[in-house]
Amino acid sequence: QITLKESGPTLVKPTQTVTLTCTVAGLSLSTNGVSVGWIRQPPGKALEWLALIYWDDDKRYSPSLKSRLAITKDTSKNQVVLTMTNMDPVDTATYYCAHRHRAWDAFDIWGQGTMVTVSS
Amino acid sequence: QSALTQPPSASGSPGQSVTISCTGTSSDVGAYNYVSWYQQHPGKAPKLMIYEVTKRPSGVPDRFSGSKSGNTASLTVSGLQAEDEADYYCSSFAGSNNFELFGGGTKLTVL
Repeated sequence: QITLKESGPTLVKPTQTVTLTCTVAGLSLSTNGVSVGWIRQPPGKALEWLALIYWDDDKRYSPSLKSRLAITKDTSKNQVVLTMTNMDPVDTATYYCAHRHRAWDAFDIWGQGTMVTVSS
Repeated sequence: QSALTQPPSASGSPGQSVTISCTGTSSDVGAYNYVSWYQQHPGKAPKLMIYEVTKRPSGVPDRFSGSKSGNTASLTVSGLQAEDEADYYCSSFAGSNNFELFGGGTKLTVL
């Protein structure tokens, strides 16, 4: 059974950098074909895809946020880390990590999400 | 790249069918058969309901079906049940640059 769990600060100040961690269980991030992505959802609003990292360390970013995002993985801890710089109140959202099914090209397993509020 | 377009709301009575549309462009929905649909209940994480336009993961009732014509994909929920009341989001692969686009979401109400 594959599970994902997000963790990180609940409150950050504007202009700060936030680091979010996704801990994956039941699946090795170094296994051929595995990929994990980050998706966010502002309160009452739609989902927005942010970034994705593959088992071979290939990465994809949302074009609109690419300059502010960095996605990495630590295979020894089986974690995927998302860093977002220059946080703004509009970045207030629930941040989800999710496993992307290799064949289906869809996010088939999601974490519970972690809420990040950006406020001074 | 703009998000995919969904109607903000849809509704139906128990037992009825309802269809939710998802309109993209020839660069995303129209270009790839990688359209997915997610169900999200309040306060919960999204759940994959449909992938590759028409396919259902194990455990998803066959009351849920998907289709696509041109740049528009659709999700149909037949035999509406109270537990189907939720927000529904479509998504589409959009190529190696844009990668994944989501729709604005549709709130489905079971009357």
